[in-house]
Amino acid sequence: GENVEQHPSTLSVQEGDSAVIKCTYSDSASNYFPWYKQELGKRPQLIIDIRSNVGEKKDQRIAVTLNKTAKHFSLHITETQPEDSAVYFCVARGLTGGGNKLTFGTGTQLKVEL
Amino acid sequence: KAGVTQTPRYLIKTRGQQVTLSCSPISGHRSVSWYQQTPGQGLQFLFEYFSETQRNKGNFPGRFSGRQFSNSRSEMNVSTLELGDSALYLCASSPAVRDHNSPLHFGNGTRLTVT
Repeated sequence: GENVEQHPSTLSVQEGDSAVIKCTYSDSASNYFPWYKQELGKRPQLIIDIRSNVGEKKDQRIAVTLNKTAKHFSLHITETQPEDSAVYFCVARGLTGGGNKLTFGTGTQLKVEL
Repeated sequence: KAGVTQTPRYLIKTRGQQVTLSCSPISGHRSVSWYQQTPGQGLQFLFEYFSETQRNKGNFPGRFSGRQFSNSRSEMNVSTLELGDSALYLCASSPAVRDHNSPLHFGNGTRLTVT
């Protein structure tokens, strides 16, 4: 089955700096890559997603890149703010088995310090 | 539009008991998935239901089961509870299962503690 690796597990940045989280996936058939943000005690919330026919997508301070050849995808947050502090999960979904079976990375605890 | 609703929010059970968790998807969503979240294993897929049929199943023992009703509401059941079943159980809904790119929307989860 699909396997998603995520790095780093913890990331501390100063307010205003950029943060980058990197993930790799194993199933070359994966074609959809959402990112979820989970604040302490709350549900995971979709912040951005990218499909396999797109190399990059941006939404305000958040951008995702996808390299299908290398099976890498990354999340970039610019001008970080304290409210960006949370756990971020990268996710891959493939055609194997179909449907909505998502494989989650292990999460990155992002801390934005004042 | 109301989000995904899970009940109850918290549960405390004893080893050997069974438990039933409930999930009401976003109105119009027909696919419901269940995930287990633990500090050690992260978020792991349990199963997915669409049109009252199980479409996908993760690598969990048969003690974990679920069902979906005609109104798309779903329940999951865990029998013969073990200490290791203590976790946050998250339900997610999506408009369809055949649209491979439809995003999942999560509920707030049910925190199960087994003593």
